Amino acid sequence: DTAVSQTPKYLVTQMGNDKSIKCEQNLGHDTMYWYKQDSKKFLKIMFSYNNKELIINETVPNRFSPKSPDKAHLNLHINSLELGDSAVYFCASSPGRGTDTQYFGPGTRLTVL
Amino acid sequence: AQKVTQVQTEISVVEKEDVTLDCVYETRDTTYYLFWYKQPPSGELVFLIRRNSFDEQNEISGRYSWNFQKSTSSFNFTITASQVVDSAVYFCALSEAGGTYKYIFGTGTRLKVLA
Repeated sequence: DTAVSQTPKYLVTQMGNDKSIKCEQNLGHDTMYWYKQDSKKFLKIMFSYNNKELIINETVPNRFSPKSPDKAHLNLHINSLELGDSAVYFCASSPGRGTDTQYFGPGTRLTVL
Repeated sequence: AQKVTQVQTEISVVEKEDVTLDCVYETRDTTYYLFWYKQPPSGELVFLIRRNSFDEQNEISGRYSWNFQKSTSSFNFTITASQVVDSAVYFCALSEAGGTYKYIFGTGTRLKVLA
């Protein structure tokens, strides 16, 4: 069974469109995250939810909006996509706080044309 | 401020050579955790090890070993007898226990093991 899953794996879209990426974890973890990995492989936290409560909201354009319907799901919605949004987006989960081991999903490669 | 530095951007070795990946960190917390992750060409991030700041005991797991030294703020990773399948980008990460939930990742070291 996949521990942290993301859909879709690949997403190609035009500038200006709105898109969503979904994440689900079946590990029973309380905390979920979204990270962005740019073309140089740099990984940066975007958001984190603990038991459906937003606890980290890094300096991210407000075109990005996370939503956690329950603690097993954390979705990422992006409005008005821009070329610079092209990246790989990783979802992760951990049992509790950030000092716990985080388990990552397979990533979603977003390409904005 | 917390920071993780991996000065080696890319390393190439020939199969069966030993290779050490360096990681230096900065933190003001006395309690923190350090991690290594592997990202193979397939793209997923694979957890390798987690260490807390009170446990400086070095560890060996198969061909992998880790050297944690608080005195030099380093958490280095060594692969013994490297194999082509070890080719990947390796990330070091830091998480402070002071209430934050995030990892700070280093910029990664790309390891190429040549046959």
